[in-house]
Amino acid sequence: QSALTQPASVSGSPGQSITISCTGTNSDFGGYNFVSWYQQHPGEVPKLIIFEVSNRPSGVSSRFSGSKSGNTASLTISGLQAEDEADYYCSSYTIFSTVLFGGGTKVTVL
Amino acid sequence: QVKLVQSGAEVKKPGASVKVSCKASGYTFTNYNFAWVRQAPGRGLEYMGWIGLNSGDTSYEEKFRGRLTLTTDTSTNLAYMELRSLTSDDTAVYYCARCFYYENSPGDDAFDIWGQGTLVTVSS
Repeated sequence: QSALTQPASVSGSPGQSITISCTGTNSDFGGYNFVSWYQQHPGEVPKLIIFEVSNRPSGVSSRFSGSKSGNTASLTISGLQAEDEADYYCSSYTIFSTVLFGGGTKVTVL
Repeated sequence: QVKLVQSGAEVKKPGASVKVSCKASGYTFTNYNFAWVRQAPGRGLEYMGWIGLNSGDTSYEEKFRGRLTLTTDTSTNLAYMELRSLTSDDTAVYYCARCFYYENSPGDDAFDIWGQGTLVTVSS
């Protein structure tokens, strides 16, 4: 399976909102709402920030929100801050009961 | 404090095998499944497979079937990933990750705790 499709980079100014898309096929998403998002700062391990499309684990800022429509999931970062500069990866639970990651999106805070 | 601590960096020759360990602490080991994810230098995350702690069931991504084995030792809270027939394409940081449990979860779709990563370099 090919990776889910994400834009290579997205940028925004402090305080703005940005949205990262994550597109796949019917098989990639399996008809489920099991989409997760991870944040990875350079040299650090990935951090789970969204699960089940739109839920945030305890301790994750409410500035992060997720949604899904059809075979496209989205992550929105509101009130962009310098600390949000990182790589972001989506993942889905596929029809084959495996996990598929997106190629990653580099977020730059201008 | 919940944490996963992985074994140290490895350098292997093509055709060799590598076994990476992941020590869990701070929670009940058998209550959560484990997954393994790798990341080649400068590249994205790649899912490798999953192991169920209670069932012992495993599931491997198709590209790794036949040369990947995931195991656990519940007496020592250790999880292991063994990858055989290594090539230079297997050079990557390998992560163990705890499967995040939540209502409605299939049990292996999201990962909330990650090990620090183990760099495996395959070079002749």
